[in-house]
Amino acid sequence: EAQVTQNPRYLITVTGKKLTVTCSQNMNHEYMSWYRQDPGLGLRQIYYSMNVEVTDKGDVPEGYKVSRKEKRNFPLILESPSPNQTSLYFCASSRLGVGNTIYFGEGSWLTVV
Amino acid sequence: GQQVMQIPQYQHVQEGEDFTTYCNSSTTLSNIQWYKQRPGGHPVFLIQLVKSGEVKKQKRLTFQFGEAKKNSSLHITATQTTDVGTYFCAGPAGGTSYGKLTFGQGTILTVHP
Repeated sequence: EAQVTQNPRYLITVTGKKLTVTCSQNMNHEYMSWYRQDPGLGLRQIYYSMNVEVTDKGDVPEGYKVSRKEKRNFPLILESPSPNQTSLYFCASSRLGVGNTIYFGEGSWLTVV
Repeated sequence: GQQVMQIPQYQHVQEGEDFTTYCNSSTTLSNIQWYKQRPGGHPVFLIQLVKSGEVKKQKRLTFQFGEAKKNSSLHITATQTTDVGTYFCAGPAGGTSYGKLTFGQGTILTVHP
């Protein structure tokens, strides 16, 4: 079964405590991406990756880091979380090329207090 | 940067009525994608349109891509309660076909039985 798995699904953390949200896909997809979703703002892209060791900034990369050491994994790192990073985060993946289905993970609710 | 605007922000309909959401980009798009997100769920890819003037149908859903490739619409005929959710459009930035993706704010559809 095609899956994009995110962990943790829910997390409450404190300001400044480094955290990592993992994302893994089992479809051998080249393209992976992270989004945050906030009320009234829709989905905003944080970072994306076209393949292993290839990452680039989306529209809102400040305060986040990513890495793509393996094709299946694309972790999102918050080095020093702040309350304005409280949000719902989604990871997505797809094959490169027009018309391919883009699969989203279930989402990770992150609260920074 | 690229902006993708969606209207209306909210739409309330009686079951059986039609529904349309419109998407407008500030730049020409190589393709446009549509997603549906049920309440509490994750975005689900519906379709990708590539050609100028393209029209595609999925059962009661009709998707159009404008001639200038700057606007798009999603029309649902005879809505059902299962159509409830938020509908997003998204387009790649800068004339690229992939990579950095900008989403519209979404249209929240409620259907009254």
